Amino acid sequence: AQRVTQPEKLLSVFKGAPVELKCNYSYSGSPELFWYVQYSRQRLQLLLRHISRESIKGFTADLNKGETSFHLKKPFAQEEDSAMYYCALKYSSASKIIFGSGTRLSIRP
Amino acid sequence: IAGITQAPTSQILAAGRRMTLRCTQDMRHNAMYWYRQDLGLGLRLIHYSNTAGTTGKGEVPDGYSVSRANTDDFPLTLASAVPSQTSVYFCASSDQAGSTDTQYFGPGTRLTVL
Repeated sequence: AQRVTQPEKLLSVFKGAPVELKCNYSYSGSPELFWYVQYSRQRLQLLLRHISRESIKGFTADLNKGETSFHLKKPFAQEEDSAMYYCALKYSSASKIIFGSGTRLSIRP
Repeated sequence: IAGITQAPTSQILAAGRRMTLRCTQDMRHNAMYWYRQDLGLGLRLIHYSNTAGTTGKGEVPDGYSVSRANTDDFPLTLASAVPSQTSVYFCASSDQAGSTDTQYFGPGTRLTVL
C-alpha cells in the first residue's frame, strides 16, 4: 500500500543553518511527489513538485527512486521558513493524494 | 475571486447531532476533496469528487457523507457526530483537466464534538 513517512515531528535549526526535511514513500507505481507548506494563520499551499524540478523560496527537493525519498532542502534557513511542512504522494489517476504526518520547522534567530 | 471558502470557521457540537460543513469554490475546478487534520497524523482524505455528480471514498470515510450536485459546492455531512470526529477539516480543489494536480485549500473548519 502507498505510504508517506516524515520521521521528524519537529525540526529546530538556527537561522543561516542548512535545513533538510526528510520524506520517504512507498508506492509500487510511478510516483508524483509534492511538498506543501502551512505558515502560521495561512492556508495550506503547494511549495514545490518533483516534476517541475524547481527551486521555490530557496527550497529544492530531488526524487531518489533508489532510496524512495523526496527530502526537502535549503542551504541557509531564514526565520520566515518556520512553518508546517507536508510531503505528499499522488497515487492514482483520480489525483488522490496521500500526505505524510508533517514536520514542524522552527527557525531560531 | 475568493478561491475556496468554508463555513463555519469553527463549531462546537454535541455528540449525536447532525452537522454539515460547507465548501464552495469559484475556480471551476472539477475535482474537490475533504481532509481531516489531526496532530501526529497529518491530513487524511475523507471523500473526494472528480467531477460534479460523482464521489469516492478516501482513507477515512466512515461516519461521513458527501454530495456533489454542482461544480462549485461540496458539502461534508456528519450524520451523528462522535467525539473522535473532533478535528480540523480542510476542503480542497484541483483542476484535473489542466493536469497540474495542484490542490488549493480552504481555510479550514475547526470542529469539536463533546
